[in-house]
Parts: sequence; structure tokens; C-alpha cells
Amino acid sequence: GENVEQHPSTLSVQEGDSAVIKCTYSDSASNYFPWYKQELGKGPQLIIDIRSNVGEKKDQRIAVTLNKTAKHFSLHITETQPEDSAVYFCAGRNTGFQKLVFGTGTRLLVSP
Amino acid sequence: DAGITQSPRYKITETGRQVTLMCHQTWSHSYMFWYRQDLGHGLRLIYYSAAADITDKGEVPDGYVVSRSKTENFPLTLESATRSQTSVYFCASTTSEGGTQYFGPGTRLTVL
Repeated sequence: GENVEQHPSTLSVQEGDSAVIKCTYSDSASNYFPWYKQELGKGPQLIIDIRSNVGEKKDQRIAVTLNKTAKHFSLHITETQPEDSAVYFCAGRNTGFQKLVFGTGTRLLVSP
Repeated sequence: DAGITQSPRYKITETGRQVTLMCHQTWSHSYMFWYRQDLGHGLRLIYYSAAADITDKGEVPDGYVVSRSKTENFPLTLESATRSQTSVYFCASTTSEGGTQYFGPGTRLTVL
């Protein structure tokens, strides 16, 4: 089955810097890769996703890149703000299945 | 629009007791999921349901029972709680294949 690894487990940056979180997946049949943001005391919320027919997707300050050959995908946050501080999860899913396999999460701390 | 709700939000119980966690969604989504979140493990799928009266095991189903008699409800029961089931439990739902999973706010369960 699918296995998703996520790095780093914690990431501290200064406000205004960029942050990058990386994930690798094992199943070459996976074709959908969402990223979730979880704030303290709340459930995960989708912030961006990418499908395997696309190499990059952007939404304002966040972007996701996908390298199918290397089986890894990354979340990029530019011009970080203190409100970006949260735990971020990547996930992968196969065609035809609804089950997501999640990474272990990255705690991002943005210091003012 | 209530979306997806979970109850209770916090629960303390003792080893051996039966506990039921409730999940309710107002979107009439076909698919519903139960995850547990533990430090170092991210989110792991316990059970999922494709429709009323259709359920299937996820990654960590042992010790849990689910039912889905109505589309909008998906209760999770711990028949005889153990300390290892101390965790934060999240319910999620989505439409048909390929849809975004929307998470509830979570239930923090402590088993003493």
C-alpha cells in the first residue's frame, strides 16, 4: 500500500521568509496529493491540492510542486506570516480509492 | 450551514467501558471517514463508509466498531476502551470519488 513520508517534522522561520515542506510517496499509481493545515484545537483544512497531470499549482502565497519521476511533492509558502503557524499534513491517494494516506505532519512556527 | 460536527468534543472514560463518538454532516456526502491522530503517526484511517449500510476497515480498525444507518451520521464505538485508544479522533466526509475531504473539529478521548 501507499506510504507517505514528510520532512521536516518541525520548521521555524522568520516572518517574511519562505518555508518548504517535502513529502515522498511510494505508490506510483497515486495521482492526487492534497495539503492540509491544522490549527490548534481544530480539524485539518485543505489549503491546496495537486493531481498527477500537473507539475505545479499556485494559490497566492502557497504553491505545490510535484515530481512524478522522483515520487515527491512539496509545499512552498512565501512571505510567511505568524498566522501561517500551524501543523501541515501532506497526503496521497490512488485512483478509484477514497482513502487518503497522510504524512506525519510538519509543525511550522513563524516568528514575528 | 453546520457542515460536519462531532460530539462530544472531550471525553474521559475508564478502561473497559464502551464509548461512542458521534459524527454528523449536513451536506449529504456519500463518503465518511474516521481517523485517529497521534503524535508521530499523523492521521490514520480507522474505518470508512461509501454510503449508508456500507462500511470497510481502514489501517487501524481493531477495537472499533462503526455503523451507518443514515447518510448523515457515522458513529464510532469503542466496545471496551483501552489506554492505547487515548487519542484525538476526527471524522471527515466527501462527495463522490475525487472529492475533497472535509474534517470535523475532533474529539479528544482520554482512557484512564
